[in-house]
Formats: sequence, structure tokens, C-alpha cells
Amino acid sequence: QVHLQESGPGLVKPSQTLSLTCTVSGVSITSGGYYWSWIRQHPGKGLEWIAYIYYSGSTYYNSSLKSRVVISVDTSKNQFSLKLTSVTAADTAVYYCASGNGYNFLYWGQGTLVTVSS
Amino acid sequence: IQMTQSPSSLSASVGDRVTITCRASQTISSYLNWYQQKPGKAPKLLIYAASNLQSGVPSRFSGSGSGTDFTLTISSLQPEDFATYYCQQSYITPQTFGQGTKLEIK
Repeated sequence: QVHLQESGPGLVKPSQTLSLTCTVSGVSITSGGYYWSWIRQHPGKGLEWIAYIYYSGSTYYNSSLKSRVVISVDTSKNQFSLKLTSVTAADTAVYYCASGNGYNFLYWGQGTLVTVSS
Repeated sequence: IQMTQSPSSLSASVGDRVTITCRASQTISSYLNWYQQKPGKAPKLLIYAASNLQSGVPSRFSGSGSGTDFTLTISSLQPEDFATYYCQQSYITPQTFGQGTKLEIK
């Protein structure tokens, strides 16, 4: 069974960088067929896909955030990470890591609330 | 691609048959998934590729459609089905979600 767990600061100051890590268990992050994603949900709102990465290092970004986002993978720790720079209050959201076959999101972490505030 | 769900909210009773609609702003073939989300929880994949039931999901859930118009049907509502439902297209990156349909108890 694939299990995902987000970790990172719950509070980030405006203009700083939001950094989150997703620890994967139950499968190797280098297993083919899995795309490792970040998705966020603003409070009381819908879902927004941010980016995903394949184990080979291929990355795909939502163009609306592309200039501020980096997704990376650490195969030695079976983790993948998200960095979002120059955050504002509009980046306050629950951030989920998720995984699937590239066409859907079958596995999800529990989500972590990140608040941008001074 | 913009995904538009209707209705945005819906009140229904246990045992009712419910249909939620999702419309894409352009054709997406059958690259359409449905998710269920309960408060404070991550979304759960119910239906993939428009009409395929994800393993472990009750058979009262079904999906149909192709092109631009899709539906999620719950044949007989159970108490645990009251939640918010989202459609998601995976035809083109960025993959986009509908705004959600909140299903409430009447």
C-alpha cells in the first residue's frame, strides 16, 4: 500500500520560500509508472494542481505558478519536495502530495496547512 | 481547460438517485476523473477515465460521458456519501479540477 506524508513549516512569512517534503512509503519513488505531484486547496475552495515529477527527473509545472515553483526528488530518502518562492497570503492553502499514473491521483497524503503571514 | 460542475450544491435524502454534471471547455475525450472529499480529508478517487470504477469503490457510483460532457451518478445515496465531489481532466497539462459539488443531507 502506497502511503504519502507531507512535512514542513505550517507558517511562512510573506516574500519567503515555502518548502514542503513528501515522504513515500510502500513503493520506491524510482518505480516506473508513478508521477509524484503537489496539489493545493485554498481554504474552502477547490483543488489546484501545482506540479509533478517523474522518477527520471522529468518535471511538469502549472504555468500559473511555474516562475515560482521547483519540484525535486530525493531517491536516497524516497522523498519528493516542493519549493514555492516569494509567497503571499494568496498562497495560504492546504498542500497535498499525491501520486498516480499521470492521468489521475490515486494516492494522497493527509495534507498540510501552510499559512502565509507575518 | 476549464471544468464546470453543476450544481454547485445539492440537497438529497438517503436512498435518492443523484446525478452531478461536469462540462469541459473543450473536448477531453475520456480523460475525466471523479473524486470524493470529506471535510478535513484528502480527496479519494472514485471513477477514472470517465466510467471506470476504482477498486474498492461501491458499485452505486458510476460515471459516463466523453468529449465535453460527463456525469457522476450515485444510484442510492448512503449516509457516508454526503461529501464534496470534484471532476478533474487529465487530457492536457495543467490538469484542472471542477469547482466542486457539495452534496448535503436534506
